[in-house]
Amino acid sequence: KNEVEQSPQNLTAQEGEFITINCSYSVGISALHWLQQHPGGGIVSLFMLSSGKKKHGRLIATINIQEKHSSLHITASHPRDSAVYICAGNHNTDKLIFGTGTRLQVFP
Amino acid sequence: EAGVVQSPRYKIIEKKQPVAFWCNPISGHNTLYWYLQNLGQGPELLIRYENEEAVDDSQLPKDRFSAERLKGVDSTLKIQPAELGDSAVYLCASSLDGLTGELFFGEGSRLTVL
Repeated sequence: KNEVEQSPQNLTAQEGEFITINCSYSVGISALHWLQQHPGGGIVSLFMLSSGKKKHGRLIATINIQEKHSSLHITASHPRDSAVYICAGNHNTDKLIFGTGTRLQVFP
Repeated sequence: EAGVVQSPRYKIIEKKQPVAFWCNPISGHNTLYWYLQNLGQGPELLIRYENEEAVDDSQLPKDRFSAERLKGVDSTLKIQPAELGDSAVYLCASSLDGLTGELFFGEGSRLTVL
């Protein structure tokens, strides 16, 4: 069992749909990163959060430290949102534990 | 501001040949990471530097992999000799100060070993 698990592994959506990707972790973390990776591309950091909620454009990330759970929401999804979304937790401040990623495809 | 710069973007070599990857982190970032990413999987840490010191190289296969960050700025990752299983994307990332800050990744260097 991975220390950081994501669901779903694969997600398809129609353009305009509201999307939620979940991340659960079993170890103590001080902060959680949400990352985006387009096919053949590098990784882009979307959010780093340790509590509450952050919003950037159509993206919203929330975290509940007590429940060891974080979600990434995409409102009004668009085909350009198609990518792999990865959550990663800061463990003991010196180790980043990655989830296995959620592959999102948004169709027009 | 320039992001994390890696080169080459793509490299194809035959097995047993050496290969080197270069990374220039964001200016002022003390922490530099090298990750390996296989297709469809998440990144795996190879080595982490704090300035010029390698503070975590426990996952670096030291029989064939080596890395350096001599002046605490740019870094090179070398594989000698390369094996078929080394085919992957090698990602470099940097942060201002460890994991307390945001992580910035380069575009990666895709290695194909034939």
